[in-house]
Amino acid sequence: AQKITQTQPGMFVQEKEAVTLDCTYDTSDQSYGLFWYKQPSSGEMIFLIYQGSYDEQNATEGRYSLNFQKARKSANLVISASQLGDSAMYFCAMSGKVAYSGGGADGLTFGKGTHLIIQP
Amino acid sequence: DAGVTQSPTHLIKTRGQQVTLRCSPKSGHDTVSWYQQALGQGPQFIFQYYEEEERQRGNFPDRFSGHQFPNYSSELNVNALLLGDSALYLCASSPDIYYGYTFGSGTRLTVV
Repeated sequence: AQKITQTQPGMFVQEKEAVTLDCTYDTSDQSYGLFWYKQPSSGEMIFLIYQGSYDEQNATEGRYSLNFQKARKSANLVISASQLGDSAMYFCAMSGKVAYSGGGADGLTFGKGTHLIIQP
Repeated sequence: DAGVTQSPTHLIKTRGQQVTLRCSPKSGHDTVSWYQQALGQGPQFIFQYYEEEERQRGNFPDRFSGHQFPNYSSELNVNALLLGDSALYLCASSPDIYYGYTFGSGTRLTVV
């Protein structure tokens, strides 16, 4: 079984500061994918970044980067130069398969989320 | 380019009733997954449909069933509604071989 743990229920950060959101995971799969999603109050889950278990480089997407430490089973999200619009719930998730294993990815297992509030 | 669309956006049902939620995937996406998100929790995977068949299922009772149509749209049916079924129901779509999911804005179901 897969498990995602997010230990920060809520965070307050000053605008323009960098933010690190913690995520640890547990799985017996050798091949898996790790995701971060943002959920504003509207409810829609917005895909931010993806890391495959065999990817050697940490993933980056604009202001988002994923600090992947496989041995520690952690996949922390780093947001550089935070903005007021970054205020939202953030979820870490994992899938048991990655695209190149064929057949698409399995359903996602989500953590409980971190409520990030950016203060001016 | 329309993303994932879900209908209705809000719904109130009485305990014991049945409900059908609908999802149209993003253009070009043929895999549809459904998630239940209780208040203050992360989404929980219900099931995934591909080529009109249930491909994978999470830990949900048989009261939860689904369907995928030839145009890849999907329905989630919940029978014998319980108060605990009150939640935001999210639909997500992806191309067959792709690792990112596009989510809709969800249907908020309230069971009274």
